[in-house]
Amino acid sequence: LAKTTQPISMDSYEGQEVNITCSHNNIATNDYITWYQQFPSQGPRFIIQGYKTKVTNEVASLFIPADRKSSTLSLPRVSLSDTAVYYCLVGATYSSASKIIFGSGTRLSIRP
Amino acid sequence: SAVISQKPSRDICQRGTSLTIQCQVDSQVTMMFWYRQQPGQSLTLIATANQGSEATYESGFVIDKFPISRPNLTFSTLTVSNMSPEDSSIYLCSVFRTSGRTYEQYFGPGTRLTVT
Repeated sequence: LAKTTQPISMDSYEGQEVNITCSHNNIATNDYITWYQQFPSQGPRFIIQGYKTKVTNEVASLFIPADRKSSTLSLPRVSLSDTAVYYCLVGATYSSASKIIFGSGTRLSIRP
Repeated sequence: SAVISQKPSRDICQRGTSLTIQCQVDSQVTMMFWYRQQPGQSLTLIATANQGSEATYESGFVIDKFPISRPNLTFSTLTVSNMSPEDSSIYLCSVFRTSGRTYEQYFGPGTRLTVT
């Protein structure tokens, strides 16, 4: 089971770019890397998913080096509303939810 | 995307009682998943609910404590039985949707349970 390691917390300011790095040294060949965002009193929300290199959507970018042992979620020009917990997960297929372990997450605080 | 609703959104229950949480998905799915999130903690998978078969429980969770029903492909219930204060948590249901070669996991809004 691939385990992930993230910083427990990060602080930043509005308008800044925030990069959250996740380590997953034991990632398997079939594993994808997925990031979720969770606001208080809400369920986690899918942000972005990738396998290798770079993935970008309207919300974030995900950078994955060639060895895939880490990944970096990049949030451009954050706002106060980006204050949340961000989870990095690795897993293979949708049928293997039990193989996808939620780590402790990174609590991101954005200040004015 | 997937639209998932849960009932109740929150409840306060006395120890020794049971609460059944409902989860409704906007379209048919093969598997539904139940998670627990204790205050200030991450999510822990309780069980996987398949339609037409018994649920599969993760280590540390048993059917007598968390019975699950899955009567059709859009609905599931989780019961928290014989509750104690340690059961105070947020309970979330979840489904996966595939998008091409990848998958996305969607969560319901959660049910906040407080046991007194």
